[in-house]
Amino acid sequence: EVQLLESGGDLVQPGGSLRLSCAASGFTFTSFAMTWVRQAPGKGLEWVAAIGGRYSYTYYADSVKGRFTLSRDNSKNTLYLQMNSLRADDTAVYYCGKRALDTGSIDSWGRGTLVTV
Amino acid sequence: DIQLTQSPSFLSASVGDRVTITCRASQGIRRYLAWYQHEPGKAPKLLIYSASTLQSGVPSRFSGSGSGTEFTLTISSLQPEDFATYYCQQLDDYPHTFGGGTKVEIK
Repeated sequence: EVQLLESGGDLVQPGGSLRLSCAASGFTFTSFAMTWVRQAPGKGLEWVAAIGGRYSYTYYADSVKGRFTLSRDNSKNTLYLQMNSLRADDTAVYYCGKRALDTGSIDSWGRGTLVTV
Repeated sequence: DIQLTQSPSFLSASVGDRVTITCRASQGIRRYLAWYQHEPGKAPKLLIYSASTLQSGVPSRFSGSGSGTEFTLTISSLQPEDFATYYCQQLDDYPHTFGGGTKVEIK
């Protein structure tokens, strides 16, 4: 069974930094692209960033480009989101997602971790 | 960036009703569209991918259709566990934007 467990969410001051982690299990982590999606209070889902599997390309939403860095440690089956220069509008629940091989849709999601700025 | 516009943003319906949600893309996205269900406090759930393919384990009362710029999600007979918010997402180009969501509530 695929499991994704986010951690690292916290209360942080504007301008501060935080690193989120997503521990993955139940699948061959190296083979799959991964993504982060967030939901601000009372708002809809917002795509944040994506990273490839073995070749680790990265893409970011304009709202976080230059401030957030997505990386992965395939030896630890863990995804990371380094968030710098945090702003009040980064306040959200951050979800980690596994992307399907062929379609890119998010076929497994974590329960999320709350970041409050 | 590709914009996705969902309608309606809010829908009030009864158990047993047929419900249709529309997602319109600002430019053609072929069939690179997914639908998700999201209940408060839970992880979102993939319902449909490639516009019309039902994800494994999802009840057959859910169906998707469309291509290019116009897509629909239909629930043929609404069940109590279907009251949630539904989102479309395009996967044709980065950023992989979501629609604004459709909240389905009990009438």
